[in-house]
Amino acid sequence: QQQVKQSPQSLIVQKGGISIINCAYENTAFDYFPWYQQFPGKGPALLIAIRPDVSEKKEGRFTISFNKSAKQFSLHIMDSQPGDSATYFCAASAMNRDDKIIFGKGTRLHILP
Amino acid sequence: DAGVIQSPRHEVTEMGQEVTLRCKPISGHNSLFWYRQTMMRGLELLIYFNNNVPIDDSGMPEDRFSAKMPNASFSTLKIQPSEPRDSAVYFCASYPGGRGAEAFFGQGTRLTVV
Repeated sequence: QQQVKQSPQSLIVQKGGISIINCAYENTAFDYFPWYQQFPGKGPALLIAIRPDVSEKKEGRFTISFNKSAKQFSLHIMDSQPGDSATYFCAASAMNRDDKIIFGKGTRLHILP
Repeated sequence: DAGVIQSPRHEVTEMGQEVTLRCKPISGHNSLFWYRQTMMRGLELLIYFNNNVPIDDSGMPEDRFSAKMPNASFSTLKIQPSEPRDSAVYFCASYPGGRGAEAFFGQGTRLTVV
């Protein structure tokens, strides 16, 4: 119940296309859903995050869509660029639950020039 | 703040040797996580500490792995004896806790066991 399941494991998208990464969770106590971005040789870093009281959050070309009833959320990258090539992790956390943040396994995204 | 500091950045060791990875978290953060990243398994949580106390070590793969956090500013992950299958990138992450908090990762230690 503590897991966050992420798909696909890897993704190849043409430059200018839309990249979509999906995550699902089971624990309804989760109340914060961030996405992390990792470039080669670096640690993951926070990209964008959403709370379950909204269904969508947009920051530039990056959008999180959240479906509370389905317990699913996704990251959409519009007009994907080669510089977006990285590994993306979804995550979930719940306040007052040992302060633990749970990560998905990651998606390796490659944008073709 | 310099962020989360991990050392060494790279470690190459022979099978059977002891390996110690080090982490200095961000001052004031309540929680510290150790992760292992491989191509096959992605990002795996090994252990996490809250206020220097190990809360969940269910991700530690075997008794060969041990972790300590003697104080709020330092943690170690030790592998003894090391095996080739332990080769991976090991990350330490510092987390202030609370709703909407961001986890800050170190640069990682790339471990190669030959």
